[in-house]
Amino acid sequence: EAGVAQSPRYKIIEKRQSVAFWCNPISGHATLYWYQQILGQGPKLLIQFQNNGVVDDSQLPKDRFSAERLKGVDSTLKIQPAKLEDSAVYLCASSPSVDSEAFFGQGTRLTVV
Amino acid sequence: KQEVTQIPAALSVPEGENLVLNCSFTDSAIYNLQWFRQDPGKGLTSLLLIQSSQREQTSGRLNASLDKSSGRSTLYIAASQPGDSATYLCAGINAGKSTFGDGTTLTVKP
Repeated sequence: EAGVAQSPRYKIIEKRQSVAFWCNPISGHATLYWYQQILGQGPKLLIQFQNNGVVDDSQLPKDRFSAERLKGVDSTLKIQPAKLEDSAVYLCASSPSVDSEAFFGQGTRLTVV
Repeated sequence: KQEVTQIPAALSVPEGENLVLNCSFTDSAIYNLQWFRQDPGKGLTSLLLIQSSQREQTSGRLNASLDKSSGRSTLYIAASQPGDSATYLCAGINAGKSTFGDGTTLTVKP
């Protein structure tokens, strides 16, 4: 079974630039999550989708972050404009349904300089 | 608001030792408790998932327990090996939202 796919693996951008990350969840998984993991900390939930609808985006900095899952399958997370403090690993996860086991991708490491 | 704490932040043991990693959470209304392993520069690998109706789960040398009344979970690793060196994260799950601790970084010395 293929796992959660994320791209790119690494990205370096200058502050105030924009960047986009892509996630393809495990086939058939209805729930998709984006997490931000700052070095030395545990992941923090940014947004949760159930199919193509947003379940929770209370922790998403909506002035600069946006995410979509238009067809209920893959998803993109965008940052515009980026700040230095956005440097982190962005993890995508999926699960068959809410409260079932979540499976994580390898993450995208973003460095903002 | 759920808060998850993991103690210790770092642990170094000689190969072959049995060890326990601790995880505490403030809101006992969690649905599941999940333990993950994270290698440097990698994503999270799920180790064990304990559902709210369960008290423990076992996989090979790993055993995880859950005590919702005291707000605690432990991950027991038997006969540790250098390949066990990684960061171990626990997450309390409620309504599909996972709240993570900051992890315990384990080093197993040959």
